[in-house]
Amino acid sequence: DIQMTQSPSSLSASVGDRVTITCRASQSISNHLHWFQQKPGKAPKLLIYAASTLQSGVPSRFSGSGSGTEFTLTISSLQPEDFATYYCQQSYTTPRTFGGGTTVEIK
Amino acid sequence: QVQMVQSGTEVKKPGASVKVSCKASGYTFTNYGISWVRQAPGQGPEWVGWISAYYGSTNYAQKFQGRVTLTTDTSTTTAYMELRNLRSDDTAVFYCVREAQDRSGSPVYFLHWGQGTPVIVSS
Repeated sequence: DIQMTQSPSSLSASVGDRVTITCRASQSISNHLHWFQQKPGKAPKLLIYAASTLQSGVPSRFSGSGSGTEFTLTISSLQPEDFATYYCQQSYTTPRTFGGGTTVEIK
Repeated sequence: QVQMVQSGTEVKKPGASVKVSCKASGYTFTNYGISWVRQAPGQGPEWVGWISAYYGSTNYAQKFQGRVTLTTDTSTTTAYMELRNLRSDDTAVFYCVREAQDRSGSPVYFLHWGQGTPVIVSS
């Protein structure tokens, strides 16, 4: 199975901060990497797919980059509604696997 | 618009079975595969398996192989997940997810999620 490792597991940031989350795959997954945002009691919401494609309706302050084994999700200017948990997920092969999550908290 | 509407909360005893439904609408049901994802309390999501709504073929995570069965009913555009021999660590929210793919060969991604079905396993 492909292991997905996210860092950090949590971070504290202020509104307006630039935030970067990293996801590493245990083997190359090309660009088959996706990012989700999840708020308590809700289903995950797709933010970025294929490593860098912004899902329709998602604010442009979210961006993704990377290929192979290293990927990043960047929030250019953190907004109050962005405080949530973020997960990466690979679809290069089955089983589909998720990272452990990064919780973004208010400083 | 695409909607995936799941059945309600289930409370089961250890050793029992549960069958969760996922009613799909707003698209041609047989054009897309559906995955199921489990999320235990305070944990990250975990893929359970996938079914082709067209062929009915399945692919299960090894962890659930032998205990889970995914099916679809094309006449009612509904997908089902049955999980048998429930244990306390199966207590979780289960999601159905419709896949999407921009073009053949491009990455498949989880676009449309159901609202989740809590399954509580307790004696």
